[in-house]
Amino acid sequence: EAGVTQFPSHSVIEKGQTVTLRCDPISGHDNLYWYRRVMGKEIKFLLHFVKESKQDESGMPNNRFLAERTGGTYSTLKVQPAELEDSGVYFCASSQDRQTEAFFGQGTRLTVV
Amino acid sequence: GDSVTQMEGPVTLSEEAFLTINCTYTATGYPSLFWYVQYPGEGLQLLLKATKADDKGSNKGFEATYRKETTSFHLEKGSVQVSDSAVYFCALRKAGNMLTFGGGTRLMVKP
Repeated sequence: EAGVTQFPSHSVIEKGQTVTLRCDPISGHDNLYWYRRVMGKEIKFLLHFVKESKQDESGMPNNRFLAERTGGTYSTLKVQPAELEDSGVYFCASSQDRQTEAFFGQGTRLTVV
Repeated sequence: GDSVTQMEGPVTLSEEAFLTINCTYTATGYPSLFWYVQYPGEGLQLLLKATKADDKGSNKGFEATYRKETTSFHLEKGSVQVSDSAVYFCALRKAGNMLTFGGGTRLMVKP
């Protein structure tokens, strides 16, 4: 069974540009989470989908970030326009339900220059 | 709000040395506690967990005991190997499956 996959693995963009990160959860997992680790600090929660609905988006830093999960399958996280402080590693995780283990992807390393 | 504090790294050890990575937490209620590991080039993997006070999680020779009285969940291993070199994250979880992570500790094991 395939794990959580994220695309791209690494992205370098200029300040002001737009970047879209993608996450494909494990098949059948209704719960999908986005986290990020900025500047080697702690990994912070961004938001949580249950199927296509946003269950909790309290961790989204500002309105430059837009997450979608159309059809309740894969999810995208768009940053527009990107700022220097958005650089970091963005992790996606999925779980079958809220009580079971969440499996993480390899992360997307975003560098804004 | 909830928070997790773990010792800053890097921690550099020789092979077969004893490892301790300290982790303390602040949270209301009764969280579950976790250690995740990220090996070079890979994603986060669950290493071990404990869901209630005095539980001991263990895996691959690593252990951690949920200590409610000291709000701690220190990670230990009796004899580290070069292959244990990675970044280790302590985390807690309450309702909703949202994880709160510590800052991560990089472990480097030299042969």
